[in-house]
Amino acid sequence: AQKVTQAQTEISVVEKEDVTLDCVYETRDTTYYLFWYKQPPSGELVFLIRRNSFDEQNEISGRYSWNFQKSTSSFNFTITASQVVDSAVYFCALREGKLIFGTGTRLQVFP
Amino acid sequence: DVKVTQSSRYLVKRTGEKVFLECVQDMDHENMFWYRQDPGLGLRLIYFSYDVKMKEKGDIPEGYSVSREKKERFSLILESASTNQTSMYLCASRDSRGGQPQHFGDGTRLSIL
Repeated sequence: AQKVTQAQTEISVVEKEDVTLDCVYETRDTTYYLFWYKQPPSGELVFLIRRNSFDEQNEISGRYSWNFQKSTSSFNFTITASQVVDSAVYFCALREGKLIFGTGTRLQVFP
Repeated sequence: DVKVTQSSRYLVKRTGEKVFLECVQDMDHENMFWYRQDPGLGLRLIYFSYDVKMKEKGDIPEGYSVSREKKERFSLILESASTNQTSMYLCASRDSRGGQPQHFGDGTRLSIL
């Protein structure tokens, strides 16, 4: 069965700390896509990144980086030098047909 | 930029009312989706549509129906609203090509009294 697990329900950090959000997935398919979304307090879900199952290169975008490891079925998200504006709920999702979301990790960054 | 617009940010209705939630996208996307989001449960798919006049049940379709008469518009209908349908409702659309992300609207926070 397809499943996405975000074991961290809530994380609190102080500004400028680095923080990693974990995502572990289960799938039997060899072709699939993984996504990260950000949901700030205003409510809208903002698309951050997509990764397909054949591309295991890590990606960096500014302070954000993603580590995809098929061997451990993980797609972790790291924010470097966190800022208060990073406070949000972050969702990891798996797509093979329909999109399956994890339950989200609430990140609070304190000044 | 993709724009997905949900007609209301906040809505309050009474038990038994018929409720319409509207969603419009401006990118000519074939696929559209309705989710509800509840604390601790994440996002759950209610219905989706691959194209005009097509609809498929998601994981929790009971108590809901949908309408897709035009490509850009996907409506969610609560036939007879109940208090357990109080939730945040999110609409999304995506290009039908493989691997494309879903783009979400701002959400409608619906309260059923």
